[in-house]
Amino acid sequence: GAVVSQHPSRVICKSGTSVKIECRSLDFQATTMFWYRQFPKKSLMLMATSNEGSKATYEQGVEKDKFLINHASLTLSTLTVTSAHPEDSSFYICSAPRTGEDGYTFGSGTRLTVV
Amino acid sequence: GENVEQHPSTLSVQEGDSAVIKCTYSDSASNYFPWYKQELGKGPQLIIDIRSNVGEKKDQRIAVTLNKTAKHFSLHITETQPEDSAVYFCAASPPGGSYIPTFGRGTSLIVHP
Repeated sequence: GAVVSQHPSRVICKSGTSVKIECRSLDFQATTMFWYRQFPKKSLMLMATSNEGSKATYEQGVEKDKFLINHASLTLSTLTVTSAHPEDSSFYICSAPRTGEDGYTFGSGTRLTVV
Repeated sequence: GENVEQHPSTLSVQEGDSAVIKCTYSDSASNYFPWYKQELGKGPQLIIDIRSNVGEKKDQRIAVTLNKTAKHFSLHITETQPEDSAVYFCAASPPGGSYIPTFGRGTSLIVHP
């Protein structure tokens, strides 16, 4: 149980376009979803926390207008990278607290490449 | 806030050997310590965890030990296999409903056949 499905797994987009990444909780309701960014050979950097039905909480230094997060339902949270630039190229991962247990379930990640 | 240090950054072993990865944390209030395995191009997967009221936990070839006084915990993998090759992250979480973890910087484990 506690599966988080993340799509797409890979996306290549042109500079200036926007890209949406979806994370769905398949067998549980995720009132909270966490979004991470990971650079090559680096640890996970928490970007923001999304809460169903309310505004996301962003970590210091993360641009709210660049990384739009929506958590409109108990099973879906989305991250939209707006006006993407090459420096936004990275591995983005979502995760949700495991229902009834400690710890998190992570999505499979999205490799974003902006050309 | 919490600070988690993880060592080594890279660990290379021969198949069948044991591997040990160590982490220290700074916040004595942290009470949950998970370990994640991340294979290339994939999201992290929880492999074992331990709470602060337990000193050791074992699951087949994997074990985690916790020294709450010294604020350090370790991952032990015995009889390593090539498929154990991955990046391993430790984390420490404070008490509270959100359990937002602070991650270590990761250890790249390479198991040579």
